[in-house]
Amino acid sequence: DGGITQSPKYLFRKEGQNVTLSCEQNLNHDAMYWYRQDPGQGLRLIYYSQIVNDFQKGDIAEGYSVSREKKESFPLTVTSAQKNPTAFYLCASKDIDGYTFGSGTRLTVV
Amino acid sequence: QQQVKQSPQSLIVQKGGISIINCAYENTAFDYFPWYQQFPGKGPALLIAIRPDVSEKKEGRFTISFNKSAKQFSLHIMDSQPGDSATYFCAAKALSGGYNKLIFGAGTRLAVHP
Repeated sequence: DGGITQSPKYLFRKEGQNVTLSCEQNLNHDAMYWYRQDPGQGLRLIYYSQIVNDFQKGDIAEGYSVSREKKESFPLTVTSAQKNPTAFYLCASKDIDGYTFGSGTRLTVV
Repeated sequence: QQQVKQSPQSLIVQKGGISIINCAYENTAFDYFPWYQQFPGKGPALLIAIRPDVSEKKEGRFTISFNKSAKQFSLHIMDSQPGDSATYFCAAKALSGGYNKLIFGAGTRLAVHP
């Protein structure tokens, strides 16, 4: 089945740690996106990538980093510079028919 | 100008009733308006979408009404069912820096009571 796979589903981070969230797609989509979801705030764009080896900051990129070395993969690293990382993170890809979202990773700082 | 304002924040409807969620935008460059449905612990899934050259689009029990002059659009769920209980997001697409970006509303949590 074609789709987007995010892993892990749940992730716990200690203060000062960097963690990486995985996003893989087999839809052959060029564009990929990372969103952060907090209660009552909708989805906010962190980073996006239109093609391999290219990515752009979204609205809330501070404290995050990404890479796009392969078309099917767009990992997100939450660095220690992100002061409030507890949230639900969603990865998406896009083609001419619209956006497809993964099932998300819930990150909690412990 | 990039915001999409969504209301209400939460909505309770009896089974068989009509659920109505409203969104408003400012940027006249928006050219695509989708609605997403999200169940707890899952990613949003596209429900229905409309472009500004159409005033209404219907798919089964779901209808989008679009008012270009007022810069408003709404989702109507007819004969609401308990299985429709979810969070609904409106969104609008804008061109920014040469890339398409989706701008999301804050979401509406719908509860349909049997």
